[in-house]
Amino acid sequence: DVKVTQSSRYLVKRTGEKVFLECVQDMDHENMFWYRQDPGLGLRLIYFSYDVKMKEKGDIPEGYSVSREKKERFSLILESASTNQTSMYLCASSWTGGEDEKLFFGSGTQLSVL
Amino acid sequence: QKEVEQNSGPLSVPEGAIASLNCTYSDRGSQSFFWYRQYSGKSPELIMFIYSNGDKEDGRFTAQLNKASQYVSLLIRDSQPSDSATYLCAVRGNTDKLIFGTGTRLQVFP
Repeated sequence: DVKVTQSSRYLVKRTGEKVFLECVQDMDHENMFWYRQDPGLGLRLIYFSYDVKMKEKGDIPEGYSVSREKKERFSLILESASTNQTSMYLCASSWTGGEDEKLFFGSGTQLSVL
Repeated sequence: QKEVEQNSGPLSVPEGAIASLNCTYSDRGSQSFFWYRQYSGKSPELIMFIYSNGDKEDGRFTAQLNKASQYVSLLIRDSQPSDSATYLCAVRGNTDKLIFGTGTRLQVFP
């Protein structure tokens, strides 16, 4: 069974903390993505990566960075967490050239910044 | 104008009816169109994709694409309570990024 695993389902952090969200996929996918999902705003792309050590900014990269040192792992970093980063974070992966361009999502991390 | 627009709903339909979910998009150069289903508290999962104008059927689901009018729709025939979920429209435009709509919540009542 294919899997995208996010390290935490729920996370509570304080303002100013550095936060790491980890994502691992076991499908040998080239492409990995980080989204945040907020009520009324839908899914918004933060960062994505098409290859190891490669990263591209999405639509809302401010306040975030990413790391992809290995093909299967894509980490999202909140350098200094703020309350407006309270959200559901979803990691996804996909295979380049897949006929349906299907995104496989992890189960999500609900982050609360107090 | 949002890049991908959906009515947030809820759309309520009786069991056995046809549910019609609509989505409009602003980028006329968009080439790929997707419908994801998201159950409450769960992650989105792909249920349909369509690239060409016209209809595409898969079981009880039919995706319809009209590029001239810039809309894509999803029809669910013989709706079941288990179809109750939020349906996300996603569009891949010229930038090659996948843009999601905010989703339409569907409620199917027995």
